Amino acid sequence: GDSVTQMEGPVTLSEEAFLTINCTYTATGYPSLFWYVQYPGEGLQLLLKATKADDKGSNKGFEATYRKETTSFHLEKGSVQVSDSAVYFCALISGGSNYKLTFGKGTLLTVNP
Amino acid sequence: EAGVAQSPRYKIIEKRQSVAFWCNPISGHATLYWYQQILGQGPKLLIQFQNNGVVDDSQLPKDRFSAERLKGVDSTLKIQPAKLEDSAVYLCASSFGRTQNNEQFFGPGTRLTVL
Repeated sequence: GDSVTQMEGPVTLSEEAFLTINCTYTATGYPSLFWYVQYPGEGLQLLLKATKADDKGSNKGFEATYRKETTSFHLEKGSVQVSDSAVYFCALISGGSNYKLTFGKGTLLTVNP
Repeated sequence: EAGVAQSPRYKIIEKRQSVAFWCNPISGHATLYWYQQILGQGPKLLIQFQNNGVVDDSQLPKDRFSAERLKGVDSTLKIQPAKLEDSAVYLCASSFGRTQNNEQFFGPGTRLTVL
């Protein structure tokens, strides 16, 4: 079945530091890939997505590139802010999984001023 | 545009009691999902509806969990009887359709604590 593995947290950074959260996946066929973010006290929100190989999703300064050869979708941001503190989830949807989202375990990011 | 609504936001019950959660999806969204998120883990799909029909309930513990979406709009998820391991956040999500590219919009969730 489908699965997503993302780096263990928590991750603690200083403001303006570079962020990478690693994500790799196993899926049948060609899945669509997503990063969701959960801010404290709020629901899950879609951060960005990519639907085919070599696509780059981007939003709010975050980027991730769909790498089929390495089955990866790493999240990056060049300069994090305190307001980026949240839990980040990598996820995928494939037709073989009945179009349900399969999530990683989540990575807690804390950004200190 | 109103988002996905869920109630209650929090619920505390004793084991072996029953509990029900309610979800109202975004207007016009045909597909509705219930996910269970245990602390420290990613959400896991329990059941998926397309309009008022079930399309995937393979991970729903059917001996104690049930869900319905009678008119193809709002939905209820019930647990009876609850066990300690059911303590989790129950998330409802909706999407316009069932494809790989349709964004799923999530509600704020219901945090269930079973004592």
